[in-house]
Amino acid sequence: NAGVTQTPKFQVLKTGQSMTLQCAQDMNHNSMYWYRQDPGMGLRLIYYSASEGTTDKGEVPNGYNVSRLNKREFSLRLESAAPSQTSVYFCASSRNEKLFFGSGTQLSVL
Amino acid sequence: AQKITQTQPGMFVQEKEAVTLDCTYDTSDPSYGLFWYKQPSSGEMIFLIYQGSYDQQNATEGRYSLNFQKARKSANLVISASQLGDSAMYFCAMWEDSSYKLIFGSGTRLLVRP
Repeated sequence: NAGVTQTPKFQVLKTGQSMTLQCAQDMNHNSMYWYRQDPGMGLRLIYYSASEGTTDKGEVPNGYNVSRLNKREFSLRLESAAPSQTSVYFCASSRNEKLFFGSGTQLSVL
Repeated sequence: AQKITQTQPGMFVQEKEAVTLDCTYDTSDPSYGLFWYKQPSSGEMIFLIYQGSYDQQNATEGRYSLNFQKARKSANLVISASQLGDSAMYFCAMWEDSSYKLIFGSGTRLLVRP
């Protein structure tokens, strides 16, 4: 069972570059989430999608955009990367309150 | 306002002893859930235990139990018979039915000594 799959696992960007983090789940979950985790800190919610076709801002949405492409896929886009966006990014999905997490994407912005 | 507070940045415990990790929360939603996740050095998030706000009994999952004190708004994790493999970061998180999202605390790093 794949669960929640994130790509890529690692990425290095230069300031100002753009990129999209991909996330897909195979559990037929309605809700999907993007979190970031900075060193020594907990996860902070960037955006979430309670159901296909809807997206909402979380705690730290600035500098990001999301697309819920279909029920399976939820992508996170950095239009113009900044060093402050260096972090580990986690995607998650859920049917109700229990979230299942992907293995994370380590992003460095130089 | 901080919704989930974990006041212990780091803790030590001797192998085979029990340890309690603290978590307090703040919500006005009558329907909510409390979670604990473990994050080992490999980085993945591992679900440990869940307590619903209407659950009458404290949740238990193997060596993990959740000491839920609703009036005090605390949801402490108790790990019994600590093992070396328990060394990890532990995160408390809260789900509010009104907001439909999971919010995390800042975490506690647990180190189990042999």
